Amino acid sequence: DIQMTQSPSSLSASVGDRVTITCRASQSISSYLNWYQQKPGKAPKLLIYAASSLQSEVPSRFSGSGSGTDFTLTISSLQPEDFATYYCQQTHSTPPTFGQGTRLEIK
Amino acid sequence: QVQLVQSGAEVKKPGASVKVSCKVSGYTLNELSMHWVRQAPGKGLEWMGGFDPENGETIYAQRFQGRVTMTEDTSTDTAYMELSSLRSEDTAVFYCATGWGPNGWFDPWGQGTLVTVSS
Repeated sequence: DIQMTQSPSSLSASVGDRVTITCRASQSISSYLNWYQQKPGKAPKLLIYAASSLQSEVPSRFSGSGSGTDFTLTISSLQPEDFATYYCQQTHSTPPTFGQGTRLEIK
Repeated sequence: QVQLVQSGAEVKKPGASVKVSCKVSGYTLNELSMHWVRQAPGKGLEWMGGFDPENGETIYAQRFQGRVTMTEDTSTDTAYMELSSLRSEDTAVFYCATGWGPNGWFDPWGQGTLVTVSS
């Protein structure tokens, strides 16, 4: 199975900050990398698919980049509603696997 | 657009089985690839299995092989996930999610179903 490692595991930031979360795959996954946001008690929500494509109705402050084994999710200017847990997911190979999550907290 | 509505919370005893449903609207189930994901309390997301459109079969994660069965009722556009031989470690929220294409992302997700396994 392909292992997905996110860093950091948790992050404290302030409203207006620029934040970057990293996801590394244990082998090349081309651009088959997706990002999800999950708030407490809610289902995950797709933010970015195919490494850099913004899902419909997701604010443009979210962006994704990378290919191969190294990927990033960037939030350009944090808003109060962005404090949540973020997961990356590879869909290059079965089984699809998720990173362990990055918890983004208010500083 | 696709909407997924799951069945309600369940409490089961160790050794029992649970069957969770996921009702599709906005599309027919035939048009979709349904997946199931488990999330233990305070933990991350774990894929359990799903439909592979390339070979037309449902594939299960190795750790659930033999204990999980995923089925579909196309007459009601409802997908089901049954997990047997439940143990306390199976206490989790179970999500259905729509996969797009053979290498596609999951969107949308159902609201989740909490299954509690306790004696």
